[in-house]
Amino acid sequence: RKEVEQDPGPFNVPEGATVAFNCTYSNSASQSFFWYRQDCRKEPKLLMSVYSSGNEDGRFTAQLNRASQYISLLIRDSKLSDSATYLCVVSQAGTALIFGKGTTLSVSS
Amino acid sequence: NAGVTQTPKFQVLKTGQSMTLQCAQDMNHNSMYWYRQDPGMGLRLIYYSASEGTTDKGEVPNGYNVSRLNKREFSLRLESAAPSQTSVYFCASSEAGGHYNSPLHFGNGTRLTVT
Repeated sequence: RKEVEQDPGPFNVPEGATVAFNCTYSNSASQSFFWYRQDCRKEPKLLMSVYSSGNEDGRFTAQLNRASQYISLLIRDSKLSDSATYLCVVSQAGTALIFGKGTTLSVSS
Repeated sequence: NAGVTQTPKFQVLKTGQSMTLQCAQDMNHNSMYWYRQDPGMGLRLIYYSASEGTTDKGEVPNGYNVSRLNKREFSLRLESAAPSQTSVYFCASSEAGGHYNSPLHFGNGTRLTVT
């Protein structure tokens, strides 16, 4: 089982739709969780950190479920500009950040 | 505010040639990293430097060497390039003196082709 797994997609949704991505991780000792966004041929950029209590940033909501070892990202009212690849990132104390392979989102008008 | 700067942006090498990828950050971050990204493989860590004066191997270090020249700069060297090293290379930095709980800031990437 890979350390961080994501559904590669692509997820094709119309503008205004709500879309959710899940990411599972294998190491129960994982302590830090992030979602990054990567546009085509660009560098990854931090979208949001994921906290145990869940957190929201505008149209984006991230949740962590430690018991089931997954994190999720919910995007409400999708915009064309949300089209990108979303990377799930997990780390344990003293070790490297582990990146998932990413989930591709395409929002169409 | 430059953030993380990588050079060059593009490079074509022939098998066996050597080159050094340069990376500098102006955020006073302690930790710096080199990743490679290949289609279907995601981002994989090559080497990292938790703090000035230290370097450690990541997931895929073979064929590479690194130098943490000072707090700002972290270079990646390919001594004898191979076609398997064709990839997009990203340098990144983070504030903390390790990977724990500290998000990464990435450079724009270097697209390397080895023929």
